[in-house]
Amino acid sequence: KAGVTQTPRYLIKTRGQQVTLSCSPISGHRSVSWYQQTPGQGLQFLFEYFSETQRNKGNFPGRFSGRQFSNSRSEMNVSTLELGDSALYLCASSPLGLGAGDTQYFGPGTRLTVL
Amino acid sequence: DAKTTQPPSMDCAEGRAANLPCNHSTISGNEYVYWYRQIHSQGPQYIIHGLKNNETNEMASLIITEDRKSSTLILPHATLRDTAVYYCIVLMNRDDKIIFGKGTRLHILP
Repeated sequence: KAGVTQTPRYLIKTRGQQVTLSCSPISGHRSVSWYQQTPGQGLQFLFEYFSETQRNKGNFPGRFSGRQFSNSRSEMNVSTLELGDSALYLCASSPLGLGAGDTQYFGPGTRLTVL
Repeated sequence: DAKTTQPPSMDCAEGRAANLPCNHSTISGNEYVYWYRQIHSQGPQYIIHGLKNNETNEMASLIITEDRKSSTLILPHATLRDTAVYYCIVLMNRDDKIIFGKGTRLHILP
């Protein structure tokens, strides 16, 4: 099976712009979770989507949003970019979602730089 | 706040067993302990998970204390390629927020 793929791998934006990141989960996986990783920090959970519905949400402002399509592919959008949004954004997929012993498989990430 | 506590860094000699501790004193009965690692500039890699019993796979062993308040990840024969940040994660119920800690940066020394 192909792994989790994320596009683009690298992105440079300026403050105030908006950005959309894409994630394609492993075939058959219905849950997609998004994480932010900044230098010196651990992974921080953004949100989880399952069957096109947001099921869990972390402590991020409303500028961060996402959606999931019927084929389980997911997009994450960040509006009005700030310098602090520069980070590695990781997507993870799993068959049934978080909890209950399900295993998440991570993609390589999209490295976003905000200038 | 993360629900797990890990030392920020550890060293281990190549070829020796690396034992990475994790405290999760507030874990509840239906929560799993997961371990992931992240090698620089790559996405996190799943290692192992467990609920109550000790677990072993081709990568590592997971030892969970009887009271489930702590666990240890064991890499039996560490190699230089095991240099990474190791995350201990407690997965809560689906309706709760998922929080990662800062992990342990493991340095394997030649």
